[in-house]
Amino acid sequence: ETGVTQSPTHLIKTRGQQVTLRCSSQSGHNTVSWYQQALGQGPQFIFQYYREEENGRGNFPPRFSGLQFPNYSSELNVNALELDDSALYLCASSFLGTGEETQYFGPGTRLLVL
Amino acid sequence: AQTVTQSQPEMSVQEAETVTLSCTYDTSESDYYLFWYKQPPSRQMILVIRQEAYKQQNATENRFSVNFQKAAKSFSLKISDSQLGDAAMYFCVLQGGSEKLVFGKGTKLTVNP
Repeated sequence: ETGVTQSPTHLIKTRGQQVTLRCSSQSGHNTVSWYQQALGQGPQFIFQYYREEENGRGNFPPRFSGLQFPNYSSELNVNALELDDSALYLCASSFLGTGEETQYFGPGTRLLVL
Repeated sequence: AQTVTQSQPEMSVQEAETVTLSCTYDTSESDYYLFWYKQPPSRQMILVIRQEAYKQQNATENRFSVNFQKAAKSFSLKISDSQLGDAAMYFCVLQGGSEKLVFGKGTKLTVNP
């Protein structure tokens, strides 16, 4: 069984640029959720994708967008980067529909915006 | 709104001893789940233990057990026979009414040899 993977592991961007982060879900899972974890804080929910559609969104502006592909992998896109976007971005996969919907996390992507 | 409160920013324990991490939560949902995740310095968020709110029996996973007090909305984690590898940030997490997870601010656990 393959776990959740994320790429890249680290990324440095400048303010105003755009970034794309990638996540491959654990085999057998159909849902991907994205979280932002600022330094010293707990993760904050960005959004979730199920069956290639957004299935819930947290308090993040529209410049945070995502995609889910037919193989259940996912992308998180952030436009017009701001300094406060510097954080660890975590994705988690789960299987929606059985009642046992525990989320399993990838290792994260550390984004630094200069 | 759903909230999770961890009132202990840091805790320490001697190797082989027992430690309890505290958590309180608030939700209006009748059906929800509670979790403890650990995040070592490697950053990987790892599931420690899971509790369904409808189950009265406290969950146990090897050296890890919880004390779930539904009426008091309390969900503490007990780690027995602490090991050096248990050192990490521990997050209490609530999932209820939707698929999103609501995290507490975390408790940093140090294990002293």
